[in-house]
Amino acid sequence: SFVLTQAPSVSVAPGETAKITCGGDNIGREGVHWYQQRPGQAPVLVVQDSRDRPSGIPDRFSGSNSGNMATLTISRVEAGDEAHYYCQVWDASSDHPVFGGGTKLSVL
Amino acid sequence: EVQLVQSGAEVKEAGESLTISCQASGYQFNRYWLGWVRQMPGKGLEWMGIVYPADSDTRYTPSFQGQVTISVDKSIATAYLHWSSLRASDSAMYYCARRRPLLDSLDFWGQGTQVTIYS
Repeated sequence: SFVLTQAPSVSVAPGETAKITCGGDNIGREGVHWYQQRPGQAPVLVVQDSRDRPSGIPDRFSGSNSGNMATLTISRVEAGDEAHYYCQVWDASSDHPVFGGGTKLSVL
Repeated sequence: EVQLVQSGAEVKEAGESLTISCQASGYQFNRYWLGWVRQMPGKGLEWMGIVYPADSDTRYTPSFQGQVTISVDKSIATAYLHWSSLRASDSAMYYCARRRPLLDSLDFWGQGTQVTIYS
């Protein structure tokens, strides 16, 4: 089944740009979804189908996907963006979603 | 407005049974798959299984097959996650989430139900 690899942590200063990556074999062929999970809260979908933002998500959040890597980019990072971020694809062979291990974004 | 509202926190003894719920509103319940996700303390998201309310078609990941039962009651737009005999290792936060058709994202989530099992 599909395996998604994320770095455990990323740190960025306020106002800078954070890039959170998700590696997988030919992931560029898949629709990748990204979730933000703030401490003590449920996950929230922030990017779907690799680059689309759901209603209500700020345009500071964007996504890209090519080859073996998908990327979530957060521009002009704010303190409120500090959270865990998870990537996800739907594994057609098992007909289940697969999650990456998550990346903790720390805002310095 | 789409909402998934889950039942409250539970504290149970090992060996007991438990059912937690996820009540949906704001959309046509029968038309969207609803799944369950486990999150153990300090860990990531684990998919458990999913149910299609229109016909109760249910699918489990191998890790959870035989360990839990997922069901629905269409009349009250509610999905359930049931354990017949709890173990300490079942202590976790559990989320329900709606699967968006075609894109296969999880576009709406419940607030979570904390389950604590003591032995």
